[in-house]
Amino acid sequence: AQSVTQLDSQVPVFEEAPVELRCNYSSSVSVYLFWYVQYPNQGLQLLLKYLSGSTLVKGINGFEAEFNKSQTSFHLRKPSVHISDTAEYFCAVSDQTGANNLFFGTGTRLTVIP
Amino acid sequence: DTGVSQDPRHKITKRGQNVTFRCDPISEHNRLYWYRQTLGQGPEFLTYFQNEAQLEKSRLLSDRFSAERPKGSFSTLEIQRTEQGDSAMYLCASSLRADTQYFGPGTRLTVL
Repeated sequence: AQSVTQLDSQVPVFEEAPVELRCNYSSSVSVYLFWYVQYPNQGLQLLLKYLSGSTLVKGINGFEAEFNKSQTSFHLRKPSVHISDTAEYFCAVSDQTGANNLFFGTGTRLTVIP
Repeated sequence: DTGVSQDPRHKITKRGQNVTFRCDPISEHNRLYWYRQTLGQGPEFLTYFQNEAQLEKSRLLSDRFSAERPKGSFSTLEIQRTEQGDSAMYLCASSLRADTQYFGPGTRLTVL
C-alpha cells in the first residue's frame, strides 16, 4: 500500500515571497505523483504530475515540483506567491498499474499574507 | 469537454434516510472513481469503475453504500440509513488513462 505525508499542515507566507510545500511518500511499487489544489467548497484541480522522465516538473500557475527517488519526496515550490494562491494543497500518489486510485496526504493550508 | 459534474452540490438529510448522488464524467472517460473527504483530511478512495464494471471497493465502503455505473457513463452513489458519521464531501473523478484523474466539484452531505 501507499502512503503520503505532508509535513506542514499550515504554511503562512508573505505575498511575493517563495514557498515550498513538502511531501514524502511510501510505496513498495513504482508510483505516479501528483499535486492538487482545492479552493474553498470546490473540487480538486490538478497542479502538476510526475509520471516519468525529468524529475523537475512544471505545472499551472507558476508551480513546479521535483521528484527525488532516494528521499521519496515530491516537494512543491513557487518562487513568488500571490494572494490568489491561498488554498489547500494535496500531494497524492497512485500505482502505475491496477485501479490507479489516488492516496492523498492530509493537505497543507497555504495562506498568503498581503 | 465540460468537466466532471456532480449533483446535487449540497444535501442535508436526517439520520436514517437514504440519499443518492450522481456523477457525470467527462465524455469518453472510461474510468470513474468515488472518494470521500472529511473536514481537515485528504480525500479517501471509495470505489472504482472501468466502463460499467465495478473493479475495486475500499473497506470504507460499508454495506450501506452502493455504487453503480449502469451504461458506463454516469454513476450513482447511494447511502442507505445515513448516519452522522457519513457527513462529508463526496468527490467523483474520471480519467481516460491511468495517469490523470479529473475531479468534479463534489457533493457535500450533512446528516442531522
